[in-house]
Amino acid sequence: QTVVTQEPSLTVSPGGTVTLTCASSTGAVTSGYYPNWFQQKPGQAPRALIYSTSNKHSWTPARFSGSLLGGKAALTLSGVQPEDEAEYYCLLYYGGARVFGGGTKLTVL
Amino acid sequence: EVQLVQSGAEVKKPGESLKISCKGSGYSFTSYWIGWVRQMPGKGLEWMGIIYPGDSDTRYSPSFQGQVTISADKSISTAYLQWSSLKASDTAMYYCVRGSTSGGHAFDIWGQGTMVTVSS
Repeated sequence: QTVVTQEPSLTVSPGGTVTLTCASSTGAVTSGYYPNWFQQKPGQAPRALIYSTSNKHSWTPARFSGSLLGGKAALTLSGVQPEDEAEYYCLLYYGGARVFGGGTKLTVL
Repeated sequence: EVQLVQSGAEVKKPGESLKISCKGSGYSFTSYWIGWVRQMPGKGLEWMGIIYPGDSDTRYSPSFQGQVTISADKSISTAYLQWSSLKASDTAMYYCVRGSTSGGHAFDIWGQGTMVTVSS
């Protein structure tokens, strides 16, 4: 059973920078895992932020960026805003199958 | 406007069957995948499976294989998720999401979710 691991929780100050990571139990995450990142606020459907490691959707704020970092997929928020407080999920591709990470609860305070 | 509109909330008893829907509009329904995602109360997102309405190619997550059936009717731009015999543990919010594998694997548009409650 493939497991995708994210930090359970992170805290950042407004205006700060934070990096969330996404690791695979199968080894290093590469571009071939096509990492997607989603944001979910309480009571809302998830919203797509990043696809294929680093590509932004037309609605993705510029302060969000995706990359590969130390064998993991990473989502970096620069200049964090209060409205960025949310749960963040990564999704990895395993040759036909897909697996979500457990999610990172980001607190802004 | 590209959107996915899901069917309304359902309350069912254990052992009953159920089929929920996800209707796409504003784009070519047969050119994108539709994935299904479960979110149990207070928990994270779980990938259930995906279908390509163009040719009904369907892939299931091992955890959900045999537990649900994913289908699509391209004539009405609608994808479905169904159960033949519900269990209390199927109580969850279910989301559909549009996906593309051309130019990168991008999942972009989400449905609003369908809450399924299974209780005796």
